[in-house]
Amino acid sequence: QVQLVESGGGVVQPGGSLRLSCAASGFTFSTHGMHWVRQAPGKGLEWVAFIRRDGSMTYYGDAVKGRFTISRDNSKNTVYMEMNSLRAEDTAVYYCAKRMTSGGDGEIDYWGQGALVIVSS
Amino acid sequence: DIVMTQTPLSSPVTLGQPASISCRSSQSLVHSDGNTYLSWLHQRPGQPPRLLIYKISNRFSGVPDRFSGSGAGTDFTLKISRVEAEDVGVYYCMQATQFPFTFGPGTKVDIK
Repeated sequence: QVQLVESGGGVVQPGGSLRLSCAASGFTFSTHGMHWVRQAPGKGLEWVAFIRRDGSMTYYGDAVKGRFTISRDNSKNTVYMEMNSLRAEDTAVYYCAKRMTSGGDGEIDYWGQGALVIVSS
Repeated sequence: DIVMTQTPLSSPVTLGQPASISCRSSQSLVHSDGNTYLSWLHQRPGQPPRLLIYKISNRFSGVPDRFSGSGAGTDFTLKISRVEAEDVGVYYCMQATQFPFTFGPGTKVDIK
């Protein structure tokens, strides 16, 4: 079965950096694009970033553009999110999520359990 | 960016009774490939979201048939034919037609 396991969350000071990882299993990782979506405490869902299956293209939400970088290592079945210049408003649970289709466009079908990132002094 | 709106934002329901949630997008969700990438997600407290419906009306694997989706273009609906206790939580519509993907604000469903 599909499993997405995030790690790397924690408490960081404003202006600091953090790297999240998401280890994938149960499907052919290299044939699926991957997303990061976040949810601030008590709030709704906010899409953060996407990376194509081969890493050739990435897309970002305006709130994180220029500060966050999504990447992947298909040899390790892992997707990453490098987060720099963190702000209090970046405090959220960060979910790793899988694109449903192996080619073309499409929705998200599976979500990880999430990693909590708290930005606070 | 495509703005997604949902009504109602809160829906107290009676067990065994139907429930309906509407979702509207600020522009058509028809993709250049002819598909409409509108999905519905369910999130219980403390849990990640779970996919219920994709491409407007397709139930995802393991989703009970009391859930159905309909609509076209910019107007979409999720219906629960008979609400069960496990259906409580927040329901989100999401568009995956255009980056950035965007979500509705969520509809909280609880039992009367």
